[in-house]
Amino acid sequence: DTEVTQTPKHLVMGMTNKKSLKCEQHMGHRAMYWYKQKAKKPPELMFVYSYEKLSINESVPSRFSPECPNSSLLNLHLHALQPEDSALYLCASSQEGLGTSSYEQYFGPGTRLTVT
Amino acid sequence: AQSVTQPDIHITVSEGASLELRCNYSYGATPYLFWYVQSPGQGLQLLLKYFSGDTLVQGIKGFEAEFKRSQSSFNLRKPSVHWSDAAEYFCAVGAHPNAGGTSYGKLTFGQGTILTVHP
Repeated sequence: DTEVTQTPKHLVMGMTNKKSLKCEQHMGHRAMYWYKQKAKKPPELMFVYSYEKLSINESVPSRFSPECPNSSLLNLHLHALQPEDSALYLCASSQEGLGTSSYEQYFGPGTRLTVT
Repeated sequence: AQSVTQPDIHITVSEGASLELRCNYSYGATPYLFWYVQSPGQGLQLLLKYFSGDTLVQGIKGFEAEFKRSQSSFNLRKPSVHWSDAAEYFCAVGAHPNAGGTSYGKLTFGQGTILTVHP
């Protein structure tokens, strides 16, 4: 099973709202990622969690707040977003560990976010 | 720093024709290379990967790719395209896990190539 699930599928929020995106995987992967993808662009890395600890933050604005409650779950809390934050938000996971052949990242279907 | 170039923004082929999507990478050591496919509004699906060994790798859906170190290329091929192959294709390079440090887990994607298939 190489499935990463994301909820909700679509989200519309106002600039003063607080919402959360959820990602889940049951592959035993210990690295999880958040990406942002604008239309006709490649995914841009936002955050990486490794063994439930924040490993990489690509200088993302504080209105995006990631959380990793356990090894299977990854959340992205959203607050006071701007219209330019409208995008497809993708979650991914991968095996962690040196020398592993399972290095590839598996992506979820994404959450389409619209900020009004 | 690692980078990926996909020279073709948009490619159109007829169904049944052969396909080659180009990918050139820049990386200071042995790269990990990937091809992903994305249908509109969907997530990315891994087609194939190259870590080491045989430079011709087979993937899902009848795709293959060849790693050519001398040309810094990792081109994706398919002998006969089906209408369902219409999608956007991304080449990506990742740091070798033994590189350690924060470079591990970071993929750098190319700009993508949109494939249109004519009946």
